[in-house]
Order: sequence, then structure tokens, then C-alpha cells
Amino acid sequence: GAVVSQHPSRVICKSGTSVKIECRSLDFQATTMFWYRQFPKQSLMLMATSNEGSKATYEQGVEKDKFLINHASLTLSTLTVTSAHPEDSSFYICSAWGGLNTEAFFGQGTRLTVV
Amino acid sequence: GQSLEQPSEVTAVEGAIVQINCTYQTSGFYGLSWYQQHDGGAPTFLSYNALDGLEETGRFSSFLSRSDSYGYLLLQELQMKDSASYFCAVSARGANNLFFGTGTRLTVIP
Repeated sequence: GAVVSQHPSRVICKSGTSVKIECRSLDFQATTMFWYRQFPKQSLMLMATSNEGSKATYEQGVEKDKFLINHASLTLSTLTVTSAHPEDSSFYICSAWGGLNTEAFFGQGTRLTVV
Repeated sequence: GQSLEQPSEVTAVEGAIVQINCTYQTSGFYGLSWYQQHDGGAPTFLSYNALDGLEETGRFSSFLSRSDSYGYLLLQELQMKDSASYFCAVSARGANNLFFGTGTRLTVIP
């Protein structure tokens, strides 16, 4: 299957700082990339859907000014958590998707801890 | 909007068969997928159904009934390593996304 590289895998940052998470699809061109957030023992909560070259579509309740998503190419999407607070501490996972009737390939996730 | 329902937890004995159900509500339904996630890891694709019926892949099978908005994942000859969370996910025309269910935590016991 396709490989999606996400990094960093773990990051600890101070409250009030910003953190950038990168997601790269290494061997296929993803028309769509998803960003999910997952709390321990819970499901994947879709935060936003991004298509290359256009603005991301955010799910209800997700602050677009706090979670900045850039999808500059078919192989790279970034999520920037701005002015991070302890409640932003979570597991963030990206996924690359080729569209309907295809499977999604996931990055290994980023565990963010805000102290 | 989209919604999916799965049982939150299932426990089964090693070597047995277990079925994890998923009911969904979405407009423009296109397909139902299943993903497996071990603790601390990324979800991995298991199967996909766009048409009614059963898809078999080794020990795992997935079923879809579009008229009932229902599907299930069937795991046979359970092994300890099958202990994980299993998510169903729907793709739908117009939504252009992959929306996950709440997940079912499967525990396989000796």
C-alpha cells in the first residue's frame, strides 16, 4: 500500500507557542488529505478535509484560525496548531485519500503535549 | 450530516468468530470501509464494500446491505493479535470525505 509519512511523531511544546505537523504521501498523489484528532480510547474525529490548492473544509466546532491547514501540493499537507494550550494535547493523525472507491492511507500520528 | 454506530466493546475467545456491526446514516452513500487500529498505532485498511454482499479477505470478511444501511466485519479464527479497535467508515458523494464510526474495541482472550 501507499506510504504516508507524518512527523514529528511526538512533540512537547510550551503553552502559547505554535506547532507544525507535516504529512507527506510518498508514493501517490493524494487529491484529498484529512486531519483527525484522537483522544485515548476514542474514535478518530475528523477535523478538516483539504484538497490540493484550495482552502480546507473544517468540521463544525473546529477553529480554523487555531488549526491552520495548508495543502500546497498533492503530496504535502501541514497542520499548524497555533497558540497551543494544554487542552490541545492529543493524538493528531493525517490521512491521504485518492477519492471515492479508494482506501485511505494514514500517517503514524503525532502525539502533541502542551505544557 | 453523517453518523455511524458500532458497539463500543466486544470480547471473544481465541479461535472463535466475532461479528462487529455498523449502522450508518448518510446522504449520497458510496461505500463502507473497515479499518483496524492497534493502541498507539495508525489505522490500517481492512476492507471496502460499495455493493451489497460479502467480501472475503482471508480470515476477515465484510458485508454490506445498502437497503438496510448496515454492514458488518466478520473475524474468523480469532488470534490474540486481533485485539485492537475496529472502525467502520463511510464515503459519500458530495461530502468528499471519509467519516469514521465510534470504533469497537475487540479484546481476544485465551
